[in-house]
Amino acid sequence: DSGVTQTPKHLITATGQRVTLRCSPRSGDLSVYWYQQSLDQGLQFLIQYYNGEERAKGNILERFSAQQFPDLHSELNLSSLELGDSALYFCASSYKGGSYGYTFGSGTRLTVV
Amino acid sequence: ELKVEQNPLFLSMQEGKNYTIYCNYSTTSDRLYWYRQDPGKSLESLFVLLSNGAVKQEGRLMASLDTKARLSTLHITAAVHDLSATYFCAVDMGTSYGKLTFGQGTILTVHP
Repeated sequence: DSGVTQTPKHLITATGQRVTLRCSPRSGDLSVYWYQQSLDQGLQFLIQYYNGEERAKGNILERFSAQQFPDLHSELNLSSLELGDSALYFCASSYKGGSYGYTFGSGTRLTVV
Repeated sequence: ELKVEQNPLFLSMQEGKNYTIYCNYSTTSDRLYWYRQDPGKSLESLFVLLSNGAVKQEGRLMASLDTKARLSTLHITAAVHDLSATYFCAVDMGTSYGKLTFGQGTILTVHP
């Protein structure tokens, strides 16, 4: 157990639907990062939050959004889902901006049918 | 745009042999990370390299970073079957650390 908790582990949904993925960072970590892993795109950075504020954005689609709450857990919202959104979504957290590395959760496997 | 390239992408080794995975990146950075991923699983942190010349070893794995050459290596010594996995390098740069750019991954298979 890495200390980063992601739920649910698996999600199957239909095209056009909306889902929410949840992440709780390791105790003491203020930063949360979201990544998408797919066969064609590999591992891609989506977005970063630090203590409730958005800090950096990567290749995140407009249909996707995220937020970090006062208790530091984060949610990634994916809407108007398409088949191509099927992927593994990872959350990571860090202490002091990565000087001690980034710890990844076990991921949520999203399948859009 | 930062590009990170690993080679080889596929590596089939015999147990007991040595080999090196290379990670080249296109833009100056002094932070590089190596991860291991088993099929369908999470990314396990192997090494955190934070400066030029950094060298770290853990068991049969040793990683190094040459920021001037923009190159990191992951050396495998006397491979065993348990090392079979996909290995990723990731480069961290910019004003907002944590925006990791990953290599394509190297799929390592160790045969008896």
